[in-house]
Amino acid sequence: AQSVTQLGSHVSVSEGALVLLRCNYSSSVPPYLFWYVQYPNQGLQLLLKYTTGATLVKGINGFEAEFKKSETSFHLTKPSAHMSDAAEYFCAVSDPGNDMRFGAGTRLTVKP
Amino acid sequence: GAVVSQHPSWVICKSGTSVKIECRSLDFQATTMFWYRQFPKQSLMLMATSNEGSKATYEQGVEKDKFLINHASLTLSTLTVTSAHPEDSSFYICSARDPGGSSYNEQFFGPGTRLTVL
Repeated sequence: AQSVTQLGSHVSVSEGALVLLRCNYSSSVPPYLFWYVQYPNQGLQLLLKYTTGATLVKGINGFEAEFKKSETSFHLTKPSAHMSDAAEYFCAVSDPGNDMRFGAGTRLTVKP
Repeated sequence: GAVVSQHPSWVICKSGTSVKIECRSLDFQATTMFWYRQFPKQSLMLMATSNEGSKATYEQGVEKDKFLINHASLTLSTLTVTSAHPEDSSFYICSARDPGGSSYNEQFFGPGTRLTVL
């Protein structure tokens, strides 16, 4: 069965600092991987996704993630945090024939 | 494209009443929609998968008689919380899969509905 583990329920960075949100997955077949962002009282917005091809995926708002099969990881990064990046971030995995499964989420706080 | 709406965005009701939440795919036809529940500071918990024209598939532990799901058309799924109680208070989010889009199981999410049961 597929699953996702997000390391760190809460990450705090200073404005301008590197953002690194960790995600490890478990899947019996090549997975499809997603990162979503959720602002308070809102639904989920897709940041980026990995399906096939290039393992470094670029998304919206300056975020990117790298699929590393050997490490079963799909960590999310952004070189320079903005105050507007403060939100909840969810990593998700799916594979053909299965529905999407979400990690527990990581709350990102950005300090001025 | 691939926009999903939910109505209402928030609702307050008295204990014992029923509440209906609508989920619509605005620019595509969704044969499959999903209903999630999210408690404060927690992840999304899949409640059920709704397939157009057939009965919903509920996740283990979700009461199908309490959370009635209807997917009567390719653009509309409804979740009715029957005889609501305060413990049903939560944030409910729907999503839809676009069969005409990619085959990567991507889901498009609605903005969510905040239900408060007094």
